[in-house]
Amino acid sequence: QSVLTQPPSVSGAPGQSVTISCTGSNSNIGAGYEVHWYQQLPRTAPKLLIFGHNIRPSGVPDRLSGSKSGTSASLVIAGLQAEDEADYYCQSYDNSLSSWVFGGGTKLTVL
Amino acid sequence: DEQLVESGGGLVQPGRSLRVSCTGSGFNFGDYGLNWFRQAPGKGLEWVSFIRSRAYGRTTEYAASVKGRFISSRDDSKSIAYLQMSSLKTEDTAVYYCSRIRGEYQLPSYWFFDLWGRGTLVTVSS
Repeated sequence: QSVLTQPPSVSGAPGQSVTISCTGSNSNIGAGYEVHWYQQLPRTAPKLLIFGHNIRPSGVPDRLSGSKSGTSASLVIAGLQAEDEADYYCQSYDNSLSSWVFGGGTKLTVL
Repeated sequence: DEQLVESGGGLVQPGRSLRVSCTGSGFNFGDYGLNWFRQAPGKGLEWVSFIRSRAYGRTTEYAASVKGRFISSRDDSKSIAYLQMSSLKTEDTAVYYCSRIRGEYQLPSYWFFDLWGRGTLVTVSS
């Protein structure tokens, strides 16, 4: 069981948008800690997609965006492409655990 | 290209020891702190340990679940970090990832991890 809750799977057709939610609590996201997002393709290293709620590292397309409200955060992937098919993880910090915490991951399927 | 590569995983009996390594390339390894995470089969990512950069004294911290059994170290001249695991338990079975810390000048709660390895599988079983 992960501290942050993500839907196990989402799907969308090419060109559509999908939203991946990440729900936490008042000891992590709700406490104001930043939320970061990672993508993991099969058998590859996780890749940083979004940091500081909605900042993209160089090379990450602007059709990916992040947001945060209250105890939750979201990753929106617009204009879905086949290459987006991967697992996505959110990450924050939890002050009751004094540790970084992750969501359980969401598998994105491009139909 | 910047890269981290873990190695040294394998099958080990309960109570025994194992050392996994994390080799960096393409960047100034000694300038960055490093985190170790693990992911047990069917479970989420769990923080294990970090070792800070030389600028921050190469200090280490450990999760409660591994404190006293695991030791993080690094050899910046070789661009390698190590996680020495002792008194291994079946619940230590996981893929172990190393990752590079960004924002080390800030409080740890602000850190995020901008470069990861593919991981190395450690299986603890008799």
